[in-house]
Amino acid sequence: NAGVTQTPKFQVLKTGQSMTLQCAQDMNHNSMYWYRQDPGMGLRLIYYSASEGTTDKGEVPNGYNVSRLNKREFSLRLESAAPSQTSVYFCASSDREGRGQPQHFGDGTRLSIL
Amino acid sequence: AQSVAQPEDQVNVAEGNPLTVKCTYSVSGNPYLFWYVQYPNRGLQFLLKYITGDNLVKGSYGFEAEFNKSQTSFHLKKPSALVSDSALYFCAVRAPDTGRRALTFGSGTRLQVQP
Repeated sequence: NAGVTQTPKFQVLKTGQSMTLQCAQDMNHNSMYWYRQDPGMGLRLIYYSASEGTTDKGEVPNGYNVSRLNKREFSLRLESAAPSQTSVYFCASSDREGRGQPQHFGDGTRLSIL
Repeated sequence: AQSVAQPEDQVNVAEGNPLTVKCTYSVSGNPYLFWYVQYPNRGLQFLLKYITGDNLVKGSYGFEAEFNKSQTSFHLKKPSALVSDSALYFCAVRAPDTGRRALTFGSGTRLQVQP
């Protein structure tokens, strides 16, 4: 049982490049989340998906898009990367009881934008 | 708006001593409160939560937290610290009517337990 799996673990991009962060969970959870973690700021929600086919903006959605491809997978796309998007990105999931509260996190993607 | 404050960037405690990591919150209505722990290069792990009921909540790894409504606090405690408890701890809050909206996380407190 892998839980929440994120790929890649590390990535360096140049300003203006695009990329997609992948996330998959094998716990049959309905809800999935994308957070970013910056020093001294805790975690901030980028996007949320309550179920397959639905997505909602979180606290800091600008510059990002998401796709809930199916129940397992929830991807985060940076269309035109900016240095301000240098961060550690975490995907998380929760079951129906944990609605709104992430229960399981991936190990993160460390993204640097030059 | 909801907010969380973790007033200490770092807490140092000797192994075997009791530990407290402080958290205060601001939210409309009755809060849902959470503690998470993060080990180096890992995602957060859920420790415990308060939704309703007994003000003392017990969680994973021997941790507990006390909800104090009058002081708007939810401090994390453990009677006897272990070196392996050294990690980054996050408090989080949300109001019950925000449903699927985000938790608001504090900025984190680094706990260092010295042998």
